[in-house]
Parts: sequence; C-alpha cells; structure tokens
Amino acid sequence: SAVISQKPSRDICQRGTSLTIQCQVDSQVTMMFWYRQQPGQSLTLIATANQGSEATYESGFVIDKFPISRPNLTFSTLTVSNMSPEDSSIYLCSLRQTSTDTQYFGPGTRLTVL
Amino acid sequence: QKEVEQNSGPLSVPEGAIASLNCTYSDRGSQSFFWYRQYSGKSPELIMFIYSNGDKEDGRFTAQLNKASQYVSLLIRDSQPSDSATYLCAVLRGFSGGYNKLIFGAGTRLAVHP
Repeated sequence: SAVISQKPSRDICQRGTSLTIQCQVDSQVTMMFWYRQQPGQSLTLIATANQGSEATYESGFVIDKFPISRPNLTFSTLTVSNMSPEDSSIYLCSLRQTSTDTQYFGPGTRLTVL
Repeated sequence: QKEVEQNSGPLSVPEGAIASLNCTYSDRGSQSFFWYRQYSGKSPELIMFIYSNGDKEDGRFTAQLNKASQYVSLLIRDSQPSDSATYLCAVLRGFSGGYNKLIFGAGTRLAVHP
C-alpha cells in the first residue's frame, strides 16, 4: 500500500487562529479523504478531497471552516480555521485504493486548541 | 439506529484464548466490510477486509460475513497482549451518483491479559 505522511504530527494552537495540515502520498491516488477523530470517539468523515475541483463536504462540515486543497494526485491540505477548543481532535488523511476499495490512513495530526 | 454498531467493551480475554468481535450494519446494500486495529495514540491500521459471505482467514485473524443477518465478525486466535487495542468495524456504503463512503462503528476495546 502507499505510504502516507502528515505534517505536523501535533500542534498546540490558540483559539481564533488557523492551522494547515499537509498530507503527502508516495504514489498517485484518485481518492483522498480527511477525517476527524475526537477524543474517545470513532472516525468522522470531514470531506472528500477532489483533485482539481472543490472538495465534497459531509453534513456538519463547511468549506469556510475546513478549506481543503488538492493540487495534484499525491498531495492535499486541510486547514482548520478560526479554531476553538471544540476543534481539538486528531485529523487524519486517508486514501482509497480503487482496485480493492481498501482504505488506508496517515499517522494523523493531533491538534490541541487552548 | 446507528449505521454500524459495535459493543464498546472492554472485551477482556486471557492470553491464548479466542477473541470474538462483532459488528452489525443497517444498509443491506453494503458490499465491502473492513476491520481496523487502532492502538492508543495511533492511527487505524487495516487488518482484514471481506466482500463475500463466509469466512476469510489471514494468520490468526478470521473475518466472518453474513449478509442475510447484516453481521460481520472478527476472530482473533491465540490472543496476545499485543492484540490489546480498539477494533473498528467499517462498512463501505454506496450513495447516489456512484459515491461510496466508509462508515465506522464506535469500536470495541479489546484487553488481552496474561
């Protein structure tokens, strides 16, 4: 499977600021996703990152709060904007191999908002 | 009713025993089913996937699927303390327009004690 890296691995931020998380994959993939995992919870899909077009957001998530870029088939960014303590979470990049429908996750970015 | 349901546990088994993890799903049209293992502080790791009714074995792991009962299970033979983790059941569900989404259960925490 492809190798997925994320930067930063963790960060502590002040409320009202923004953080951009980068996801890099070592091979070209069509389908990339961004998830959130709040403390003690399971994974929630934020959006599908579409290459060359606007991301597709899930109910409860909006572009103004979580802008996503996908400039090519190996890279995507997620920005968490105007952060509040409720945004403290682990943010995970994910890719799906379309030949098998198997989905893999990056190491995650642990965000704490004070 | 949640789309994917798991008992949150903890499920406690002695070392060397068989651990049985269960999952039910609500969408009868779902075709692909996955088990992820997540150690504390780490991202989910895909350990098994199954598409057809019956059993699929991989080493100490066996996934079982019964589409008529909308039931997926994971058996771990010869459980080891290193198997102690949260196990997430995930179902790939199709939506209109050819859009598929991986939906996760809440996870079952497994504790294997020496």
